[in-house]
Amino acid sequence: DIVMTQSPDSLTLSLGERATITCKSSQNIFYGSNKNYLAWYQQKPGQPPKLLIYWASTRHSGVPDRFSGAGSGTDFTLTISSLQAEDVATYYCQHYYSTPPTFGQGTKVEIK
Amino acid sequence: QMQLQESGPGLVKPSGTLSLTCAVSGGSISSDNWWSWVRQSPGKGLEWIGEVFHNQYGGSTNYNPSLKSRVIMSVDTAKNEFSLNLTSVTAADTAVYFCARDRSSSTLRSNYFDPWGQGIMVTVSS
Repeated sequence: DIVMTQSPDSLTLSLGERATITCKSSQNIFYGSNKNYLAWYQQKPGQPPKLLIYWASTRHSGVPDRFSGAGSGTDFTLTISSLQAEDVATYYCQHYYSTPPTFGQGTKVEIK
Repeated sequence: QMQLQESGPGLVKPSGTLSLTCAVSGGSISSDNWWSWVRQSPGKGLEWIGEVFHNQYGGSTNYNPSLKSRVIMSVDTAKNEFSLNLTSVTAADTAVYFCARDRSSSTLRSNYFDPWGQGIMVTVSS
């Protein structure tokens, strides 16, 4: 299985600050047609994960543009450009390059 | 807007079978989509269990190799729902179980998930 490793495990920032979460895959998840097989999710307590980003950088419908994804191959980032109170959540990356798709361990984002 | 809702027992005895159903509304389960089950436990985080597909030509399943010997998934087109059966359960199968639409189609493998059901907590205990 491909192992997804996120860093940091937790992040505490002030409102308006930039948040950057890193996700590293244990093998290359880039495939033909210029696609990286990576998604990002946001999960708030008591709720299911919510899709934010797919194909590493495509923002899902309705997701605010302060969320952006970047990276290629094995190294990826999720950036929240200006942290808002409603962004307090745990964020997960997930590859879908092969079976089984696997998730990172999560990064908890809190407000200082 | 598509919605998914899990249902089933919240408590299962060790060595028994965990059986859950996911009702799909706002779309057809026989559309060109795969349907997945994902579970979440404090110890193992988010874990993909498997996926099921069904259209007018037939159906197919893919399972996580780590669970393959114990998992069966199926589709009920009349009820527009799909199901998960996990046999020989132990305490390690205690988790919140989510159903989700898998964004793979018959022509493109793209196992990311949207939308998700709210989740159902299943405890394995005597």
